[in-house]
Amino acid sequence: QITLKESGPTLVKPTQTLTLTCTFSGFSLSTSGVGVGWIRQPPGKALEWLALIYWDDDKRYSPSLKSRLTITKDTSKNQVVLTMTNMDPVDTATYYCAHSPVIIDGSLFDYWGQGTLVTVSS
Amino acid sequence: AIRMTQSPSSFSASTGDRVTITCRASQGISSYLAWYQQKPGKAPKLLIYAASTLQSGVPSRFSGSGSGTDFTLTISCLQSEDFATYYCQQYYSYPITFGQGTRLEIK
Repeated sequence: QITLKESGPTLVKPTQTLTLTCTFSGFSLSTSGVGVGWIRQPPGKALEWLALIYWDDDKRYSPSLKSRLTITKDTSKNQVVLTMTNMDPVDTATYYCAHSPVIIDGSLFDYWGQGTLVTVSS
Repeated sequence: AIRMTQSPSSFSASTGDRVTITCRASQGISSYLAWYQQKPGKAPKLLIYAASTLQSGVPSRFSGSGSGTDFTLTISCLQSEDFATYYCQQYYSYPITFGQGTRLEIK
C-alpha cells in the first residue's frame, strides 16, 4: 500500500524559505521509472505542478518557479524534500506530494498525500 | 507550456444524468492525458490515464476518450458521490499542466 505524507511549517513569513518534506511508504525511489512530484493548490483555485524527481535523480521544475525551487531525495529515508525560496503571500496554498508510477512516457500521479496548507503572512 | 482548457467551468446536474466534461490542449498531446476527481478538502484522485484507461478501482460509469487536442470525460449515470471538481492533466511534455477544473454540482 502506497502512502505519502507532507510535513513542514504551516506559516511562513514573506521572503523566508519554505522547506517541505514528503515521507512515503509502499514503494522505493530506487525503482526504475518511479518518481515523486509536488503540486500545489491555492485556496479555491486549480492545481499547479511544481517539481518532480525521478529514481535516477533526474529533476524537473516548473519554468515559472524554477529559480526558487529545489527538489532532493533521500532514498534511505524514503523522503523527498522541496525547498522554495523567497516566499510571498501568493504562494499560500495546499502543497501535495504525489507518487508518479512507472509508465511508458511522461508523468502522472496515482497516489497523493493529504496535503499541507502553507500560509505566507507577516 | 501546453495550456489545458476545460469546459464548462461549472455546471449542475442530477443523480442519474449522463454528463460530459471537455478538455482541450493548446497543442497535440497524443493520448498523454489524465483525469482526476477532487472533493472538498481532499487530495485529487486519479480516474483515467492515457486518455481512456480506467485506473484500478474506479467505477466503470467513468470513461474517457479523445486524442490529439480534444478529450472528454463522461460519467454515464451520476451518483451522489460523483459531485466534485474534475481536472485534466497533460503529461506529453514538461511542464506538466492541469486544466482549470470543472465543478460538478447537484441540481
